[in-house]
Parts: sequence; structure tokens; C-alpha cells
Amino acid sequence: AIRLTQSPSSVSASTGERVTITCRASQGISSYLAWYQQKPGKAPKLLIYAASTLQSGVPSRFSGSGSGTDFTLTISSLQSEDLATYYCQQYYSDLRTFGPGTKVDIK
Amino acid sequence: QVQLVESGGDLVKPGGSLRLSCAASGFTFSDYSMSWIRQAPGKGLEWVSYISSSGSTKHYADSVKGRFTISRDNAKNSLYLQMNSLRAEDTAVFYCARGQGRGNWFDPWGQGTLVTVSS
Repeated sequence: AIRLTQSPSSVSASTGERVTITCRASQGISSYLAWYQQKPGKAPKLLIYAASTLQSGVPSRFSGSGSGTDFTLTISSLQSEDLATYYCQQYYSDLRTFGPGTKVDIK
Repeated sequence: QVQLVESGGDLVKPGGSLRLSCAASGFTFSDYSMSWIRQAPGKGLEWVSYISSSGSTKHYADSVKGRFTISRDNAKNSLYLQMNSLRAEDTAVFYCARGQGRGNWFDPWGQGTLVTVSS
């Protein structure tokens, strides 16, 4: 199975700051990568698919980039409501896998 | 609006069985593939199983292959997960999610149903 790693595992930032999360795949996955936001006690929510396509209704401060093995999720100006854990997911393989998650805290 | 509602979660003993259901509404269920994804308490997300829109293609994570069976009834707009030979490590919130695009990203997700495997 394709393994995804994320860094950092957690990040604490002030509102208005830029936050960058990295996802690395154990083999090339083209652009078959999605990002999800999971707030405490809630189901995950799709943010980005195809590595860089913003899901309808998602604020434009979220953006994604990358292809092959290295991907990035960026929050351009962190807001208090962005407190959550963020997961990447590959769908290149029939055995779909998630990264371990990155917890974003507000300072 | 698009909605997915899981049910069937319960406390079950190791070695036992359980059947989860996911009721879909607000979209043409038979047009979409579906998946089950689980999350152990305090842990990350683990994709469990996939079924194509017609039900003809199924995929399973290695951790559940041979024990879990995914199925669907398009006439009832429902997705199922039959879980046998349950283990303590199967304890998790189970989510159903609609598949999108080639290969599948997941949107939306249901609210989840808790399965606890304990003696």
C-alpha cells in the first residue's frame, strides 16, 4: 500500500499567520491527492481534491499544490475556526490511504 | 441536501459480528461509488472498503479483508458493512462517504457510528 507521511504532526500559530502542511507519498501518485479538515467531534470535510482544486464553498485562504510524491496544504491567513486536524488522502491506488494527520492549534 | 446517516454501531464481544448501515438521501445513490472509513478513538483515519456504483467492484483494506463485506442496495439507497470475527482493534467510529472522481476522494461524509469490541 502507498504510505503517506505528514509534517509537522502538530503546529501552533497565531491568527493571521501562514500555515503550511506537507504530505509525502511513498511512491508517485500524480495529482491523486485530497485534503480534509476534521474539527473536534465532527466528521471530516473535504477541502481540496486533485492536489490543488478547491472544493466548492471552502474559503480561498486554503490552497493545495504539488504532484508526484510531494504535496502542500497552505492556510494563507489562519483563522480561529481553522482549529482542526488536517489529513491528506491518496486515491491513486485502489487501496486508498490517509496520512497520519496534522493538528493545527491557535496560539 | 446530500445526507448520509450511519446506524448499527454497538458494543460487541471479540469474535462477534455486526452489520452497519448507511442511508443516503439528496442525490442519485446509484450513480456513485461509496466507501467506509473508520477512526479508532484518538487516532487517525483508516479507509476500510470501497464499492462501485453498481456493486460489481469491491476493494478492502488488508486489515479487514476476509472478515468484512461491503454491499449496497440501490433500490433502498443504502450501503452496508457486514463485520465478522471482530477484534478489539476494530473499535472505532465508522463513517460512510460518497466517492467522487476517478479513484475516489470522499465527499460528503456521514456523522459516524461507534463500534466497540470488548468483552
